[in-house]
Amino acid sequence: DQQVKQNSPSLSVQEGRISILNCDYTNSMFDYFLWYKKYPAEGPTFLISISSIKDKNEDGRFTVFLNKSAKHLSLHIVPSQPGDSAVYFCAADNSGGGADGLTFGKGTHLIIQP
Amino acid sequence: DVKVTQSSRYLVKRTGEKVFLECVQDMDHENMFWYRQDPGLGLRLIYFSYDVKMKEKGDIPEGYSVSREKKERFSLILESASTNQTSMYLCASFGGAGTYNEQFFGPGTRLTVL
Repeated sequence: DQQVKQNSPSLSVQEGRISILNCDYTNSMFDYFLWYKKYPAEGPTFLISISSIKDKNEDGRFTVFLNKSAKHLSLHIVPSQPGDSAVYFCAADNSGGGADGLTFGKGTHLIIQP
Repeated sequence: DVKVTQSSRYLVKRTGEKVFLECVQDMDHENMFWYRQDPGLGLRLIYFSYDVKMKEKGDIPEGYSVSREKKERFSLILESASTNQTSMYLCASFGGAGTYNEQFFGPGTRLTVL
């Protein structure tokens, strides 16, 4: 039973354009959502997060949108740069602080083309 | 600066061997985690620990055990390695401070079981 779903295994975007990565969840108890970025042979690094009481959070080129009624969130990267090519994981938490671990999606491989 | 280190980046073992994967964090974090990452499956939680001597099963604990004798060190043990345990293993720690729930990951250990 997959509680966090990233339905696009890969996404190809031209440099300078907008990248939109999508994530759906089924567990209504999730109260915090995070995006991680992972390069090959490295551990994931935290990118941006959003609390369930908000619908948008922005950090530089990265914006995360949350639609609670649809149980959907998305990560927007504008403008996309070659260094953004990586696997992006959506993650969710319902343990009040991540102490019980996060639930991850399967990841989306973003490829930025020159 | 946040730092989680793992004892080996690459490891090759034979079926039936006992395998130890070591993780050390220098942030005085109470919570530590072991995940495995497989293509098309994302990150899955194996075990986690709230404190020294404490351990909790994650989503896929079968075939694994853990040890936390000191706060900074969390070990993952494969009692009798099998080929289906070939994977990337990621250790993470989380202090719970601040408003972010992000977990800090180590660089990963790529384990191959022959």
